[in-house]
Amino acid sequence: KQEVTQIPAALSVPEGENLVLNCSFTDSAIYNLQWFRQDPGKGLTSLLLIQSSQREQTSGRLNASLDKSSGRSTLYIAASQPGDSATYLCAVSPSGYNFNKFYFGSGTKLNVKP
Amino acid sequence: SQTIHQWPATLVQPVGSPLSLECTVEGTSNPNLYWYRQAAGRGLQLLFYSVGIGQISSEVPQNLSASRPQDRQFILSSKKLLLSDSGFYLCAWSWQADNEKLFFGSGTQLSVL
Repeated sequence: KQEVTQIPAALSVPEGENLVLNCSFTDSAIYNLQWFRQDPGKGLTSLLLIQSSQREQTSGRLNASLDKSSGRSTLYIAASQPGDSATYLCAVSPSGYNFNKFYFGSGTKLNVKP
Repeated sequence: SQTIHQWPATLVQPVGSPLSLECTVEGTSNPNLYWYRQAAGRGLQLLFYSVGIGQISSEVPQNLSASRPQDRQFILSSKKLLLSDSGFYLCAWSWQADNEKLFFGSGTQLSVL
């Protein structure tokens, strides 16, 4: 069974810092990987989706990388802002299904201090 | 555009009482529908998914059930709630033709006391 781990569980940084969130998964046979953002008491919003054949995806100040062979992904946030404070979740999807069978990590709770 | 509605936002129920959470999707047809649960400090766990009306699959054995009476309506139920059913419940949908992206509702915080 796929296990997804996110490190660190929580992170507090001053505004303006660049930071990296880590995600690791045990089974490298994945179809894609997604990074989500979750605000307190809210649903999840998809940030970036990386196909298994891709190495990275970028959206604004966010860059996600994927190393499938080593079972790792990173989410890089440049020039962090207080509005980036949220929980960031990583999810991997195995191939061969006709629905989203995502396995989620437990998330990294980010606090960006003004 | 597509929207997903989930209600109620919060719910406090006594042990042994029934449960009904509802989720509806607008602006699309024949979506895949999902119920997830998020326990405190843990990742999301897929509970049920549905690829069509009346078609429900369960990912984990539990005290809950799901139904899909209409194409864009997904209901999570229980006849008798347990303390361990407490958690944050999220409904989600994806397109069938392109099921890569998940779109989530705003969630229901359920407290069983």
